[in-house]
Amino acid sequence: DAKTTQPPSMDCAEGRAANLPCNHSTISGNEYVYWYRQIHSQGPQYIIHGLKNNETNEMASLIITEDRKSSTLILPHATLRDTAVYYCSPYNAGGTSYGKLTFGQGTILTVHP
Amino acid sequence: DAGVIQSPRHEVTEMGQEVTLRCKPISGHNSLFWYRQTMMRGLELLIYFNNNVPIDDSGMPEDRFSAKMPNASFSTLKIQPSEPRDSAVYFCASSPMSGLTYNEQFFGPGTRLTVL
Repeated sequence: DAKTTQPPSMDCAEGRAANLPCNHSTISGNEYVYWYRQIHSQGPQYIIHGLKNNETNEMASLIITEDRKSSTLILPHATLRDTAVYYCSPYNAGGTSYGKLTFGQGTILTVHP
Repeated sequence: DAGVIQSPRHEVTEMGQEVTLRCKPISGHNSLFWYRQTMMRGLELLIYFNNNVPIDDSGMPEDRFSAKMPNASFSTLKIQPSEPRDSAVYFCASSPMSGLTYNEQFFGPGTRLTVL
């Protein structure tokens, strides 16, 4: 399974876009990239996932580079409630680790007024 | 739907005692996951079930830990005997796993376990 690297922390001003990078240079062709976030004292919450195309939903956008070695989660207009730890995880849909997500240390995003 | 339900929300016990954590997944979900979260090790997958069958228990730390899923609506994680290093927040998650490509997991509120 691919390993991921994320910056330990980032700051963002309220109302501005938050761009959270994730490096997954060893990702294989059938591994998806999943993003979750964890607000203090709560369970993690699914945000978005993708394979090779950019994706957008009501929460965020996911930009995956053409070589798939990295991706960026974009929160277009960050609010104070977006302050959380953000995790990216590879997901192998067809391998022996079927069903298994791997959460690293994540990025602590702090949105300030 | 009420979401994933875990009980108890908080558990304080003494070393050597048996601890049982409970989870009720979202109705209709066919996969269930148990995670442990500590400051030192982050969020670790302990075991997961698909259609009530354990698929991967490689994350279970040792024989003191056991998990069961007797039916689609209930799972337990048992620690016997408990040790102070087991103190952590334990999360249960469920997923509809509708096709291999989809793995959105819905997490419960967690059980905060303290072993004295």
